[in-house]
Amino acid sequence: AQSVTQLDSQVPVFEEAPVELRCNYSSSVSVYLFWYVQYPNQGLQLLLKYLSGSTLVKSINGFEAEFNKSQTSFHLRKPSVHISDTAEYFCAVSPGNYGQNFVFGPGTRLSVLP
Amino acid sequence: DAGVTQSPTHLIKTRGQHVTLRCSPISGHKSVSWYQQVLGQGPQFIFQYYEKEERGRGNFPDRFSARQFPNYSSELNVNALLLGDSALYLCASSLEGSPLHFGNGTRLTVT
Repeated sequence: AQSVTQLDSQVPVFEEAPVELRCNYSSSVSVYLFWYVQYPNQGLQLLLKYLSGSTLVKSINGFEAEFNKSQTSFHLRKPSVHISDTAEYFCAVSPGNYGQNFVFGPGTRLSVLP
Repeated sequence: DAGVTQSPTHLIKTRGQHVTLRCSPISGHKSVSWYQQVLGQGPQFIFQYYEKEERGRGNFPDRFSARQFPNYSSELNVNALLLGDSALYLCASSLEGSPLHFGNGTRLTVT
């Protein structure tokens, strides 16, 4: 079985400041790792995924996440946030056979302040 | 291309009633999954269907059931509704070996 921990339930940060949202997971098998973002009254949108290869993955809107196998972490970072980044961010893991039983963390609410 | 569509968007039911939620996947996606998201929590896996067969089931009671139709659309049924079933129900579709694509969900309120 897999589990995901997101230690920070809320992260307030000023606009143009850097941010890191933490994600740790546990699993007895190899997993794929994901970050999803949820804006108010919407479903989840895929932000980033790690399947294999380079441990640093980047999104088109400036977010990046690094897979650290020894620390079982997949922290999300952005060097400079915008007001529009205000949303709920969920870290998720899936066993190696894709599409089955994604396990989500409890989420981190990122609030970007002007 | 249309994304994952879910209906209805909102629903209010009374305890003990039955509810059916519907989902149309992205064209070409054969896998449909259902998740329950209680306010303030991450989504919890309920079911996955692929090619009309159940591939996985989360830790939910037998009051929850689902099916997938030949056109790959899906229904989630919940019987004997409880107050604790109030949540956002999310449907996601995917190709084999690709990430989940979520709909905007159905907000179910049980009174």
